[in-house]
Amino acid sequence: DADVTQTPRNRITKTGKRIMLECSQTKGHDRMYWYRQDPGLGLRLIYYSFDVKDINKGEISDGYSVSRQAQAKFSLSLESAIPNQTALYFCATGDRLTSNTGELFFGEGSRLTVL
Amino acid sequence: GQNIDQPTEMTATEGAIVQINCTYQTSGFNGLFWYQQHAGEAPTFLSYNVLDGLEEKGRFSSFLSRSKGYSYLLLKELQMKDSASYLCAVDSNYQLIWGAGTKLIIKP
Repeated sequence: DADVTQTPRNRITKTGKRIMLECSQTKGHDRMYWYRQDPGLGLRLIYYSFDVKDINKGEISDGYSVSRQAQAKFSLSLESAIPNQTALYFCATGDRLTSNTGELFFGEGSRLTVL
Repeated sequence: GQNIDQPTEMTATEGAIVQINCTYQTSGFNGLFWYQQHAGEAPTFLSYNVLDGLEEKGRFSSFLSRSKGYSYLLLKELQMKDSASYLCAVDSNYQLIWGAGTKLIIKP
């Protein structure tokens, strides 16, 4: 089983619908992140959390919200989806950004299409 | 602003060596990462450099020059499975800034 699991893996929805993407991890990491990836662009940070109930905005948080109710779970919501939110979304976890390598561990991605 | 530049695409031959460059301008620097991402899959960690010099790990090596804002990833003895995108990311004040990635195409 994957250490970082995202659901759903693929979703097609319509403009104006509410969508939730869920992420769960078994690595015991404190830090969790939501990124989106668009062709030709780098990964862009939406929100991140360093602990339960700790929420921080990333560079592109408008139109998104998150919830961190438990250490292992971090969910991303689109309250009213719009077509330019069509993208590949990744959840990632990390221990401490500057520990040994500070590497992030990514989920397999959730491909969202908004029509 | 903060910026990371990488070539969009590179082509190399199986068995050869390829160098993927990354230049950065960031407000802070706490290290530079390289990740590999196969099409449609999650990025996976390859290397981390925080001090100047070369870090070698099997067929892959990564180099950093902080004074020049420059890094490269060197892949030796290329294999078809190395066809992927390679992402450069800088830890700037404890936030990761990502390059758009370099798509590496390996030809037989």
